[in-house]
Amino acid sequence: DSGVTQTPKHLITATGQRVTLRCSPRSGDLSVYWYQQSLDQGLQFLIQYYNGEERAKGNILERFSAQQFPDLHSELNLSSLELGDSALYFCASSVAPGTRQETQYFGPGTRLLVL
Amino acid sequence: AQKITQTQPGMFVQEKEAVTLDCTYDTSDPSYGLFWYKQPSSGEMIFLIYQGSYDQQNATEGRYSLNFQKARKSANLVISASQLGDSAMYFCAMREGASGGYQKVTFGTGTKLQVIP
Repeated sequence: DSGVTQTPKHLITATGQRVTLRCSPRSGDLSVYWYQQSLDQGLQFLIQYYNGEERAKGNILERFSAQQFPDLHSELNLSSLELGDSALYFCASSVAPGTRQETQYFGPGTRLLVL
Repeated sequence: AQKITQTQPGMFVQEKEAVTLDCTYDTSDPSYGLFWYKQPSSGEMIFLIYQGSYDQQNATEGRYSLNFQKARKSANLVISASQLGDSAMYFCAMREGASGGYQKVTFGTGTKLQVIP
């Protein structure tokens, strides 16, 4: 158990819908990362937050957005869902990026299926 | 150009033998971090080992060691005394960018390791 929690574990929805994925980082970790893992694209970095502020952006679609709240939990919002958005979405957290404590610990993931 | 290259899509190793999983990286950033993760069939991502670009010594964590050759831009994972539970997908990853600035993490395509009894 990494200490990172993600809810829900599984999500089935229809095309065009909107969903919210939630992540609680390990106690003391200020940085949260979101990743998408699909069979054809591999593991893709989406976005990073550090202490409530967006710090880095990867291959995140405009239909996707995220935020980190004052209590440091984070939410990833996926809208206008398409079949290709079906994937395993991971959240990871670290104490601080760019330091020796930057190791990212991953949550169990949310498996999203868009029908 | 690929930022992280893992050239071995799949590998077999005999139980109790050592195995090396290859990883090369490409960056012009002087400050970066290298990671290895294990993903069993259950799906979770398990952190194995970390190497900072300024670290003088190769990282070790139990049976895992990272063979860091900075000039060759390689960061190979060595697993000693393989166990059946080591059968999994292994990902190499790199963080670029210094503290306080823009950062990005890139993962390789992974190597599927199968340990044979």
